[in-house]
Amino acid sequence: AQKVTQAQTEISVVEKEDVTLDCVYETRDTTYYLFWYKQPPSGELVFLIRRNSFDEQNEISGRYSWNFQKSTSSFNFTITASQVVDSAVYFCALSEDHDKIIFGKGTRLHILP
Amino acid sequence: DADVTQTPRNRITKTGKRIMLECSQTKGHDRMYWYRQDPGLGLQLIYYSFDVKDINKGEISDGYSVSRQAQAKFSLSLESAIPNQTALYFCATSEGQASTDTQYFGPGTRLTVL
Repeated sequence: AQKVTQAQTEISVVEKEDVTLDCVYETRDTTYYLFWYKQPPSGELVFLIRRNSFDEQNEISGRYSWNFQKSTSSFNFTITASQVVDSAVYFCALSEDHDKIIFGKGTRLHILP
Repeated sequence: DADVTQTPRNRITKTGKRIMLECSQTKGHDRMYWYRQDPGLGLQLIYYSFDVKDINKGEISDGYSVSRQAQAKFSLSLESAIPNQTALYFCATSEGQASTDTQYFGPGTRLTVL
């Protein structure tokens, strides 16, 4: 069965610090996709990244970077030089070649000015 | 204009009332989904639809029903609302035929059942 664990329920860092959000997943499939979504205080869910199981290259997009390691079943998300606008709940999600996406319970990130 | 819209955005209702939440999309996607979000529980799938003629139950479909009136419209109904259905409800769409495609979410409907 597929499962996504975001062990960090809540994190607070001071602005400009780097922060890493952990995501550990479980799956028996060799083909799967991993996602990160952001939910700012306004409530909407914003897609950040989708990564397939055959692509272990790290991804960087501006201040955001993702580290995918199949050996540890992890797909961690790092924000460099955090800003107050990064304050949000972040969800990691997993989809096998079935009909649905499984979401983790989310990590609430507070960036303190 | 937003690609995925939900109406209403906020709703307060009483126990036992019937309520419908509506979702419309202009993305031209075949797949549509309804989720509920409870604090600390992430998102749970209620129902999903591959196309107008294909409706499937998700993890927590009890107490809910859906209608896919057209490719662009997917409605969620609570036939007799109860307080533990108080939650934030999201509609989502995805293109393609695989659940591994990216899902795009509406702005959410905050429902309170008194």
